[in-house]
Amino acid sequence: TQLLEQSPQFLSIQEGENLTVYCNSSSVFSSLQWYRQEPGEGPVLLVTVVTGGEVKKLKRLTFQFGDARKDSSLHITAAQPGDTGLYLCAGDTSYSGAGSYQLTFGKGTKLSVIP
Amino acid sequence: NAGVTQTPKFRVLKTGQSMTLLCAQDMNHEYMYWYRQDPGMGLRLIHYSVGEGTTAKGEVPDGYNVSRLKKQNFLLGLESAAPSQTSVYFCASSYYRERDTEAFFGQGTRLTVV
Repeated sequence: TQLLEQSPQFLSIQEGENLTVYCNSSSVFSSLQWYRQEPGEGPVLLVTVVTGGEVKKLKRLTFQFGDARKDSSLHITAAQPGDTGLYLCAGDTSYSGAGSYQLTFGKGTKLSVIP
Repeated sequence: NAGVTQTPKFRVLKTGQSMTLLCAQDMNHEYMYWYRQDPGMGLRLIHYSVGEGTTAKGEVPDGYNVSRLKKQNFLLGLESAAPSQTSVYFCASSYYRERDTEAFFGQGTRLTVV
């Protein structure tokens, strides 16, 4: 079973602060996705990274895929209360040769941004 | 755009009762999935389907059955509910591209087994 470790598990910060959350694995992924989930809702895709070393920006959010495609990070600049939620990373093993079509999810980072 | 729709949204079952959760998607996606989400455990895959008429086991399939008779629908059945099946269940669908998969989720079904 593929394993994705997310850290930290919980994060509570003041509005305006910067933060980084991490997603690590010993496995290589063909791509990695970041989702955000709000209470009572299903996860919603934020971004997909595909190439090792790739960096993508989504307004104040910066996503990076590790060179070896085993890890990823999400950096939020000047966090706002609207960023509050559960952030999940998910790895796709489609290129692993295992023939799987499923995403493996990390346990998530629960972020609270205090006004 | 409805996307992925799950019914019901909430349900309370007594131990030993059975029920079926329905998932419908209108995006013509080939792949559909059932996950459960428990505190501290993240999303765990129960069963999935790579096309109409096909199903496969995921990480935690015991106590559940599924069917995919139509491309747009994916049903999750609990034959004899147990308290350990109290959870939030999410259905998802996805399309396949050469190098990545992106999942679209429903809003979830909160199931309590007493």
